[in-house]
Amino acid sequence: NAGVTQTPKFQVLKTGQSMTLQCAQDMNHNSMYWYRQDPGMGLRLIYYSASEGTTDKGEVPNGYNVSRLNKREFSLRLESAAPSQTSVYFCASRSGTGEGNTIYFGEGSWLTVV
Amino acid sequence: ELKVEQNPLFLSMQEGKNYTIYCNYSTTSDRLYWYRQDPGKSLESLFVLLSNGAVKQEGRLMASLDTKARLSTLHITAAVHDLSATYFCAVDRDDKIIFGKGTRLHILP
Repeated sequence: NAGVTQTPKFQVLKTGQSMTLQCAQDMNHNSMYWYRQDPGMGLRLIYYSASEGTTDKGEVPNGYNVSRLNKREFSLRLESAAPSQTSVYFCASRSGTGEGNTIYFGEGSWLTVV
Repeated sequence: ELKVEQNPLFLSMQEGKNYTIYCNYSTTSDRLYWYRQDPGKSLESLFVLLSNGAVKQEGRLMASLDTKARLSTLHITAAVHDLSATYFCAVDRDDKIIFGKGTRLHILP
């Protein structure tokens, strides 16, 4: 079982370039999330998708777009990268409600915008 | 708007001592999570708490939830160096999951 898989793991972009971070989960989870992590700021929610076909803004959505391609995949796109988007990005998924339904995280994607 | 506050943000403690990390949140929630993160790594699930008065324990860590006070605590008993990490709480409301800023725990031998 691969769990939550993110690609790429490392990326360097020039200001103004675009890129897509890919995320896939093989646990048949309904909900998927994108977070960014910056020193001293914890994890901040960018966008989330509570179920296939729906997406909602989180705390810091500006400069990003998402696509819930199907139940497995949730991608994050930077249309015109800025240095302020240098961060570690985490994708996560969760099956739904209930005490046993924890959140599973990918390994993270380290993005540097120069 | 759902807000989550953790304190302290940094904690340096001696091995063998007890301490508590606090997690306050601003609105009613569906569940509360505790996670651990080691430097350069992803997040590892510790506890999921659903109901008022819920208490869960794993080894030297114990988490509790008071939904009326909108407060969760993570208690560390007789700390050991291996528990050095950053600990996050997160609150879920209507599938929107918001994290606190984390508590960086450094345990001194």
